Amino acid sequence: ETGVTQTPRHLVMGMTNKKSLKCEQHLGHNAMYWYKQSAKKPLELMFVYNFKEQTENNSVPSRFSPECPNSSHLFLHLHTLQPEDSALYLCASSQDSWGTSYEQYFGPGTRLTVT
Amino acid sequence: SQQGEEDPQALSIQEGENATMNCSYKTSINNLQWYRQNSGRGLVHLILIRSNEREKHSGRLRVTLDTSKKSSSLLITASRAADTASYFCATVTLQGAQKLVFGQGTRLTINP
Repeated sequence: ETGVTQTPRHLVMGMTNKKSLKCEQHLGHNAMYWYKQSAKKPLELMFVYNFKEQTENNSVPSRFSPECPNSSHLFLHLHTLQPEDSALYLCASSQDSWGTSYEQYFGPGTRLTVT
Repeated sequence: SQQGEEDPQALSIQEGENATMNCSYKTSINNLQWYRQNSGRGLVHLILIRSNEREKHSGRLRVTLDTSKKSSSLLITASRAADTASYFCATVTLQGAQKLVFGQGTRLTINP
């Protein structure tokens, strides 16, 4: 266990549904990240939160809406997704997002399938 | 644009042999990190090497960094079946916040 948990682990949703992914870290970190991992593509950074403030939005479509109520929790709200959004969504945390020597700790991911 | 590129994309060896994976990158870095991912799971941090370091060891892992060639290698000695996983290099560039830029990874299979 890395100290980062994600729920649900698997999610199947239709294109008109609204769902949320949850991430929680028990490491006392101040930065949290959402990544998307699709088959045959490199891991893509989506959002970065540092001390609850969003510091990076990597041109992510508005159908993905992140929320960070505190440094330990991160949500990704999903609505009107497309089939190409099917992927493994990974959450990670690190000491903070400005220290360049900090490794990131990843959760197990949510396998999302959009039908 | 993609920063790290691993080579080879897939590697299959016998248990007990050494496995070497390479990573090349394009822009100047602050550090380079290697991660491991078991199938369908999250990534696990293995080792971090800073731009002013040339070699680093951790157990059966040995990482080298050649900033003049913009390349790094990960060596796993005396491989075990449990080492079967995908291995990714990720770079932290000199600018701005800690953004890890990942390569596509090397899929390593250790045959018993």
